[in-house]
Amino acid sequence: GENVEQHPSTLSVQEGDSAVIKCTYSDSASNYFPWYKQELGKRPQLIIDIRSNVGEKKDQRIAVTLNKTAKHFSLHITETQPEDSAVYFCAASYPFDSWGKLQFGAGTQVVVTP
Amino acid sequence: NAGVTQTPKFQVLKTGQSMTLQCAQDMNHEYMSWYRQDPGMGLRLIHYSVGAGITDQGEVPNGYNVSRSTTEDFPLRLLSAAPSQTSVYFCASSPTADRSLEKLFFGSGTQLSVL
Repeated sequence: GENVEQHPSTLSVQEGDSAVIKCTYSDSASNYFPWYKQELGKRPQLIIDIRSNVGEKKDQRIAVTLNKTAKHFSLHITETQPEDSAVYFCAASYPFDSWGKLQFGAGTQVVVTP
Repeated sequence: NAGVTQTPKFQVLKTGQSMTLQCAQDMNHEYMSWYRQDPGMGLRLIHYSVGAGITDQGEVPNGYNVSRSTTEDFPLRLLSAAPSQTSVYFCASSPTADRSLEKLFFGSGTQLSVL
């Protein structure tokens, strides 16, 4: 099966600075890499994703990069704001039967201080 | 559409008690799943189903049972609760065409404490 490692486990940044979270995966067959944001007491919500045939994707202040050779992908948040404070999970989807299986990382607690 | 509905939101059990966590979706999704969330361990798959009458084990299935008699409902049963099952449980569903689980819809979660 797939193994996803996520670093760091906690990240404290000043408002306006950038935040970077890195994930590595083990299964070269993994082909879809989503990022979820979970605010305190809420459900995880998809914020951005990338497929294995794309190297980078941006959506306003967030971006995701993928290095298939090295089997790692990263989330970049620029100009951080207090509302970016949350737990962020990376995940990798690998083929299993005719469906995919999502393997999540352990999560990164991001704290943005004003 | 209500999306994915989970009940209850909070539950306290004593060791050895049984209970069922309910999950229902009104989006006609074939895929439904249960995850547990523990600090520092991310979201771990317990059981999943790719359609009515079909269920399979995930990463951490021990101590849990599931069934899928209808497309809409996917209950999770704890037959004999243990303190190790104290966790936050999330139900999630995905559309039929989304085989890579690109559109995973999560319920609001159930916080379970086993004393």
